[in-house]
Amino acid sequence: GQQLNQSPQSMFIQEGEDVSMNCTSSSIFNTWLWYKQDPGEGPVLLIALYKAGELTSNGRLTAQFGITRKDSFLNISASIPSDVGIYFCAGATEISGNTGKLIFGQGTTLQVKP
Amino acid sequence: GAVVSQHPSRVICKSGTSVKIECRSLDFQATTMFWYRQFPKQSLMLMATSNEGSKATYEQGVEKDKFLINHASLTLSTLTVTSAHPEDSSFYICSARAKGTHYGYTFGSGTRLTVV
Repeated sequence: GQQLNQSPQSMFIQEGEDVSMNCTSSSIFNTWLWYKQDPGEGPVLLIALYKAGELTSNGRLTAQFGITRKDSFLNISASIPSDVGIYFCAGATEISGNTGKLIFGQGTTLQVKP
Repeated sequence: GAVVSQHPSRVICKSGTSVKIECRSLDFQATTMFWYRQFPKQSLMLMATSNEGSKATYEQGVEKDKFLINHASLTLSTLTVTSAHPEDSSFYICSARAKGTHYGYTFGSGTRLTVV
């Protein structure tokens, strides 16, 4: 079945540093999504990507949909303590105009030292 | 926009009882809803996909008679964990999406189920 490999598994960085994480897949997706999850909460959508090559920003966050449609990265610039959490990539494939199910990466746990 | 409300946020039940979790789309019509299960320090695992007015599609290994899903309206889906056992204790999360939109998949805030 489809699998997403997300790396790194965890990161411990200093406040102000930039962060980069990525996801790769053995199969093609036509939607890539990046989520952040705080403890005891559901994932919150950060960035959605719908076209190969698309580069999208949301404040200090930037994500790109790989040209091959098999990968995506998320960058966080100038990290702050509230960036702490678990970041998940997720991919979906639309099938005949119907909603495809989301496949999640394993998550990247980010810790920021003030 | 695109808010999904999930209730309850926490529930503790006795082994052998059933528990119902509700997932509502507050400001859009959710033609498709998804139910996930998440164990501590793990990723979200899709349990089933439900389309309004039709039977849910369960992922391999998920018992449909144990995890009953009802998507009776465009704004409400329910997950009932029947005859719960301690191994069913987990974090259950729903998500919803409107057909034909690129809103992305909006998630509820999750339900922490503890079976004692």
